[in-house]
Amino acid sequence: QKEVEQNSGPLSVPEGAIASLNCTYSDRGSQSFFWYRQYSGKSPELIMFIYSNGDKEDGRFTAQLNKASQYVSLLIRDSQPSDSATYLCAVRWSGANNLFFGTGTRLTVIP
Amino acid sequence: SQTIHQWPATLVQPVGSPLSLECTVEGTSNPNLYWYRQAAGRGLQLLFYSVGIGQISSEVPQNLSASRPQDRQFILSSKKLLLSDSGFYLCAWVRAGSDTQYFGPGTRLTVL
Repeated sequence: QKEVEQNSGPLSVPEGAIASLNCTYSDRGSQSFFWYRQYSGKSPELIMFIYSNGDKEDGRFTAQLNKASQYVSLLIRDSQPSDSATYLCAVRWSGANNLFFGTGTRLTVIP
Repeated sequence: SQTIHQWPATLVQPVGSPLSLECTVEGTSNPNLYWYRQAAGRGLQLLFYSVGIGQISSEVPQNLSASRPQDRQFILSSKKLLLSDSGFYLCAWVRAGSDTQYFGPGTRLTVL
């Protein structure tokens, strides 16, 4: 059975630190990987996505893919209290029309 | 630019009543459209997706149904709501040829 797994947390980091979020996936043929942020009571918003050909950096956010170990990471540098939210990982299996979501990791940034 | 709308924003319905949630997308053509449900403290459960008008794929058998009467309109319905239908209903769209999903603001449904 294809799965996307995340540690539910909560993950707590002090303000200014690096937050590291991980996600493992079961389908070795997966090609697209997405990170969404969801504030309490709101809908998920896309942070960034990467394809199987490399990592990506966007401002304070970096997404990294480890294909051999089948996990994708999201690093948040200089964490801010406004980064406190649930982070959802999503994967598109090869040949699928939809994304498969993990259950999310709750991040708390302590001022 | 593209925008996605959902209504209503919140809804409180008695058990056994019907349901109709609407999702519309502006600024794009022939999008893939999706309905998800997120129960309290849970992950996203894909309910239906559509790649075109009248084309609906169901992911989970239940008392819900979906329809796509127009290219940019996606409707989620039920004839009789159950308590377990309570949750946060999210519509998402994907541009044709892409695989990046964007979510609407959601509808919070409480079944009493």
